[in-house]
Amino acid sequence: EIVMTQSPATLSVSPGEGATLSCRASQSVSNNLAWYQQKPGQAPRLLMYGASTRATGIPARFSGSGSGTEFTLTISSLQSEDFAVYYCHQYKNWPPLTFGGGTKVEIK
Amino acid sequence: QVQLVASGGGVVQPGGSLRISCATSGFTFSSSDMYWVRQAPGKGLEWLAFIWSDGINKYYADSVKGRFTISRDNSKKVLYMQMSSLRPEDTAVYYCAKRTGEIPLDYWGQGTLVTVSS
Repeated sequence: EIVMTQSPATLSVSPGEGATLSCRASQSVSNNLAWYQQKPGQAPRLLMYGASTRATGIPARFSGSGSGTEFTLTISSLQSEDFAVYYCHQYKNWPPLTFGGGTKVEIK
Repeated sequence: QVQLVASGGGVVQPGGSLRISCATSGFTFSSSDMYWVRQAPGKGLEWLAFIWSDGINKYYADSVKGRFTISRDNSKKVLYMQMSSLRPEDTAVYYCAKRTGEIPLDYWGQGTLVTVSS
């Protein structure tokens, strides 16, 4: 099973500032890495797949990078609607499909 | 537009059974591979099961293998999860989701809450 580790667990950011979220895989997943955003009481929403391809309707302030075992999600200038929990997900070697534990981006 | 509506959750006693459903619209269900994912209260996401569009091949997480069964009715455009031998640790919001080509879990339902408690 591929273990996905996200850091930090919580990130405190002021609106308008940038944020960098990290995700590490226990073995290479190539670029088979997705990111999801989840707000309280809502289902997750796909942000990024293929490590760096934005999903339909996702603003350009979200960008993804990385391959192999190290990945990054960058939000260039946080808007109020971006405060949420973010999960990474590998779909290279499965079953099982696995998710990281999440990074909560909160208002500083 | 794509819609996935999960239903059938509720309170069930330990050892009991429940079937949850996911009604779909807005896309070609019979051509879409589907997932179930759950989220325990205050916890992260856990993948449970996957079914190919033809309904023949299925994969399960070890935590539910032998207890849960994923299935689908392509004529009704509905995804199911039959859950048996339920345990308190199965308490969670259960989400259905779809795949489009190589894009995983691109649309999610709103979730249905299953509570296992005596």
